[in-house]
Amino acid sequence: DSGVTQTPKHLITATGQRVTLRCSPRSGDLSVYWYQQSLDQGLQFLIQYYNGEERAKGNILERFSAQQFPDLHSELNLSSLELGDSALYFCASSERDYKEGHEQYFGPGTRLTVT
Amino acid sequence: AQSVTQLDSQVPVFEEAPVELRCNYSSSVSVYLFWYVQYPNQGLQLLLKYLSGSTLVKGINGFEAEFNKSQTSFHLRKPSVHISDTAEYFCAVIDPFFNKFYFGSGTKLNVKP
Repeated sequence: DSGVTQTPKHLITATGQRVTLRCSPRSGDLSVYWYQQSLDQGLQFLIQYYNGEERAKGNILERFSAQQFPDLHSELNLSSLELGDSALYFCASSERDYKEGHEQYFGPGTRLTVT
Repeated sequence: AQSVTQLDSQVPVFEEAPVELRCNYSSSVSVYLFWYVQYPNQGLQLLLKYLSGSTLVKGINGFEAEFNKSQTSFHLRKPSVHISDTAEYFCAVIDPFFNKFYFGSGTKLNVKP
């Protein structure tokens, strides 16, 4: 158990809908990262927040957005969903910013299926 | 720009045989290097990391990796694999100078009895 929790574990929704994925980092970790993993694209970094502020951006679509709240939990919002958004979404956390060489602790993931 | 290349997408190996999973990165500056493992239906977890110091890094489950600056490589090795090592392995690089980090595309290790 990494200490990172993600809810829900599974989510099935229809095209065009909007969903919110939630992540609670390990106690004391200030950074939260979001990843998308699919069979065709592999593991893709989406976005990082550090202590409430956006710190790094990867291949995140404009339809996707995220935020980190004062209690350090984070939410990833996916809107206007398409079939291709079906994937496993991971949240990870680290003690400080990745620039300091801190490892990331990954949650168990949320499996999103868009029908 | 920094990038990470895992040369083998799949590596089949028999149980108790040695294995090497290759990772190369492109950078001329100091970087931090990591190997993560993802077991089926689980999230990634850290195997080992290199920040500085000794170029031979030992990790969990008998894995080790060697940082080779001249060849910009960080290959992962295990002298004798077990069935339970079947998983996907990801190399990751942090470039603190350019404020970026990258994950490789992953190598699926399939250990056969």
